Amino acid sequence: AQKITQTQPGMFVQEKEAVTLDCTYDTSDQSYGLFWYKQPSSGEMIFLIYQGSYDEQNATEGRYSLNFQKARKSANLVISASQLGDSAMYFCAMREGPADSWGKLQFGAGTQVVVTP
Amino acid sequence: GAVVSQHPSWVICKSGTSVKIECRSLDFQATTMFWYRQFPKQSLMLMATSNEGSKATYEQGVEKDKFLINHASLTLSTLTVTSAHPEDSSFYICSARDWGGLAGGAKQYFGPGTRLTVT
Repeated sequence: AQKITQTQPGMFVQEKEAVTLDCTYDTSDQSYGLFWYKQPSSGEMIFLIYQGSYDEQNATEGRYSLNFQKARKSANLVISASQLGDSAMYFCAMREGPADSWGKLQFGAGTQVVVTP
Repeated sequence: GAVVSQHPSWVICKSGTSVKIECRSLDFQATTMFWYRQFPKQSLMLMATSNEGSKATYEQGVEKDKFLINHASLTLSTLTVTSAHPEDSSFYICSARDWGGLAGGAKQYFGPGTRLTVT
């Protein structure tokens, strides 16, 4: 069964606008971690933001924030003030188990974001 | 942030030959590294978990005799695609865990990937 679901295959967003990328997950573990990565056309995976299952506050990293709704098992990424350089594929990923566990990541299908001028 | 390198960045080989891909953590020690493959327009699929000094743990459906993984040191893991065939053509990405980072984050840093084309 799919553990990470990203329902938006692609999105267009205008420069300087905010965009929300959806991510829902499925786990029975109490301890887990949620990640967002950006993959530009060059292929490298760039870490954006992390949320632990026990973190009470939503994670923020600059223009990125993670809207963590534990009861709904969702971990949406919000990018504020979009820039042309934000055009890329975005992946949501989950690590089941505590931070000191093996740390295997399971990835969603990804959302292609295109920022237009 | 921590840096992970991969070599080569791209390789073309003939069917039946073997190809070795290196993954190095440049400024931290990585007791655990992961190997992923990614087909065009698709997500990353974990192939195996590589632990320094021990055998790799392969995901279901991944042939361990075809994809040989060696993690001989704390900064180097290698993936060898043996007897490569055109269907092995893919983007191979490694990642390394920085255990010395934030305890809660336990970040994984990814290499830039290796594009393998088998002709």
